[in-house]
Amino acid sequence: DAGVIQSPRHEVTEMGQEVTLRCKPISGHNSLFWYRQTMMRGLELLIYFNNNVPIDDSGMPEDRFSAKMPNASFSTLKIQPSEPRDSAVYFCASSDPGGAGVGTEAFFGQGTRLTVV
Amino acid sequence: LAKTTQPISMDSYEGQEVNITCSHNNIATNDYITWYQQFPSQGPRFIIQGYKTKVTNEVASLFIPADRKSSTLSLPRVSLSDTAVYYCLVGSNDYKLSFGAGTTVTVRA
Repeated sequence: DAGVIQSPRHEVTEMGQEVTLRCKPISGHNSLFWYRQTMMRGLELLIYFNNNVPIDDSGMPEDRFSAKMPNASFSTLKIQPSEPRDSAVYFCASSDPGGAGVGTEAFFGQGTRLTVV
Repeated sequence: LAKTTQPISMDSYEGQEVNITCSHNNIATNDYITWYQQFPSQGPRFIIQGYKTKVTNEVASLFIPADRKSSTLSLPRVSLSDTAVYYCLVGSNDYKLSFGAGTTVTVRA
């Protein structure tokens, strides 16, 4: 498997523009996570899906952020309108917790570095 | 989720053993302890996971005392390429991973 695939790797956009980040999880994984990483705040969990259903979106900073998972092999994170403070590296991760007692192990993509100017 | 506390940074030299201790006083019965490693410009990578006693793989060892209120990640004979941020996470299979600040390990020649 190629692992978790994110696109684009880098994105530079102007303030006010819409930005869409994409993620293809590992085939067979039923949990998907979106994280944001900055120097100031570290790794923040934005949202996670289980079986394509959003389970917890309490980390989504505000209404400008939205995430979808239309099927088991694709997810998007959209920011509209974007602001300079959204500049960060956004990671997507997937996991397959398996049976009871397995604990958590997630596989991360390479991330998308977003710069909003 | 159980809160974790780990040192902000550690320095070491090539060939030495590095031990990073993580405190998790309110760990729950069904929680596992998991460590991730993150290199610059990359996503975190799973290193090792354990529930109690000792776990060893080709990368590291994880020591967990009987009370499970702390754990120690041991990296044997580190090299320059082991310079990274190491995160300690505690949780069950509730699918939610929360990362703290991590420990920045710097290995010098």
